[in-house]
Amino acid sequence: DVKVTQSSRYLVKRTGEKVFLECVQDMDHENMFWYRQDPGLGLRLIYFSYDVKMKEKGDIPEGYSVSREKKERFSLILESASTNQTSMYLCASSFFTGRGEQYFGPGTRLTVT
Amino acid sequence: TQLLEQSPQFLSIQEGENLTVYCNSSSVFSSLQWYRQEPGEGPVLLVTVVTGGEVKKLKRLTFQFGDARKDSSLHITAAQPGDTGLYLCAGTTTDSWGKFQFGAGTQVVVTP
Repeated sequence: DVKVTQSSRYLVKRTGEKVFLECVQDMDHENMFWYRQDPGLGLRLIYFSYDVKMKEKGDIPEGYSVSREKKERFSLILESASTNQTSMYLCASSFFTGRGEQYFGPGTRLTVT
Repeated sequence: TQLLEQSPQFLSIQEGENLTVYCNSSSVFSSLQWYRQEPGEGPVLLVTVVTGGEVKKLKRLTFQFGDARKDSSLHITAAQPGDTGLYLCAGTTTDSWGKFQFGAGTQVVVTP
C-alpha cells in the first residue's frame, strides 16, 4: 500500500510565524506535490518537485517555499504566515511517468490567527 | 478559471437512487482520475482512465472517458450512505508536464 504521511493533522500558528509542513512518501515516487484546498476553489497547486533538489512553481506559489533534500521527503515552508494562508494543505506523490495517479496524504488543517 | 469543470456542485439523493457527476474541459487529457474525499481526509484515488471511450466499473460506480478525451462522467447505481463524499476529477494534459489539473469537486450526500 502506498503511504503518504504528513507531519501534523492540525496546526494553529500566529501571523508572522515561520511554518514548516512536512510530507513523507514510501513508494519511491519521483514526483511530489503540495496543494491547498479551500471551499469552492478545489485543489490549487502550490509547488511540485520531480526530483531531489528540483522544484517548480505551481499556480499559487506566492508566500510559500519548498525543500526537497531527499527523494521521500518534501517540505512546504510558509516564511511569514498570514491569515489568508489558513487552509487545508495536501501533499501528494506520483511516479514521473505512467498513468498519472497521485496518492495523497491525510492533509494538514492550518489555522493562522 | 478551472480547466476542469465539474457539475453539479452539490447533489443530495436518497439511498437507492442513481446519480451522475460530470467533468468537462475544452482541453485534451492524457489521463483522467476520479477521487473521493471524506471530511478531514485526503482524496483517495478511485480510478484512472486513459483511452478515449474507455468505460471502467468499480462495483456500483461506472466511469466513462469521452471519445475525444475532453470529458468524463461518474455514475453511481443504487447509491448508499457510504458513497457520501466529495468527488474530484483530475487530469494531465499533453503539455502539462506532470502537473495535474483538478475540478472544484461535487459534494454528494446520500441519506438513508
